[in-house]
Amino acid sequence: DAGVTQSPTHLIKTRGQQVTLRCSPISGHKSVSWYQQVLGQGPQFIFQYYEKEERGRGNFPDRFSARQFPNYSSELNVNALLLGDSALYLCASSPTRGGPNTGELFFGEGSRLTVL
Amino acid sequence: GQQLNQSPQSMFIQEGEDVSMNCTSSSIFNTWLWYKQDPGEGPVLLIALYKAGELTSNGRLTAQFGITRKDSFLNISASIPSDVGIYFCAGPNAGGTSYGKLTFGQGTILTVHP
Repeated sequence: DAGVTQSPTHLIKTRGQQVTLRCSPISGHKSVSWYQQVLGQGPQFIFQYYEKEERGRGNFPDRFSARQFPNYSSELNVNALLLGDSALYLCASSPTRGGPNTGELFFGEGSRLTVL
Repeated sequence: GQQLNQSPQSMFIQEGEDVSMNCTSSSIFNTWLWYKQDPGEGPVLLIALYKAGELTSNGRLTAQFGITRKDSFLNISASIPSDVGIYFCAGPNAGGTSYGKLTFGQGTILTVHP
């Protein structure tokens, strides 16, 4: 079975530009989350979508937005790019399961964004 | 917000040695997850822990969910070169509705010398 797939794998942008990153979850997974990982740090939560609705948002500015499509794939958009947005952007999906307190995530390989 | 502190930050060991690393928090977690990240790739789940005091193994890896719910430990026995990578602990954010919302530690970098 295919895992979480992300595109593009690498991209270079300049300050002020906009970027769209794409993610396809594991088949059957209805939840997609986005994380930012700056070099040398652990992933930081940006968004979580479940059943096409935003269920959670991390401490990121409004320049960051996302959406989830009927097939559960997702896009992350970042506007007015800053140098500090350079990072590995990770998408993760999780299976539908009942109850809280379960957090197993399955990550893609990420999209490496460089802002010049 | 919740924070996870991992130690040590990095480890340099000889092949065949055992490895221990831990993760602590100032607040309680109901789930502890251990991930490994290889260079240029996304984190891969190694072990998931759901119950205080739980001890779970996955091959040469063993992890424990601390009885206080504020810490967790990961041990790797008889290390091999492919164990090289960054190991992260993670837990669901406060509130319990944890689909997709994880807090990660800063990672432990493991280097294994042949």
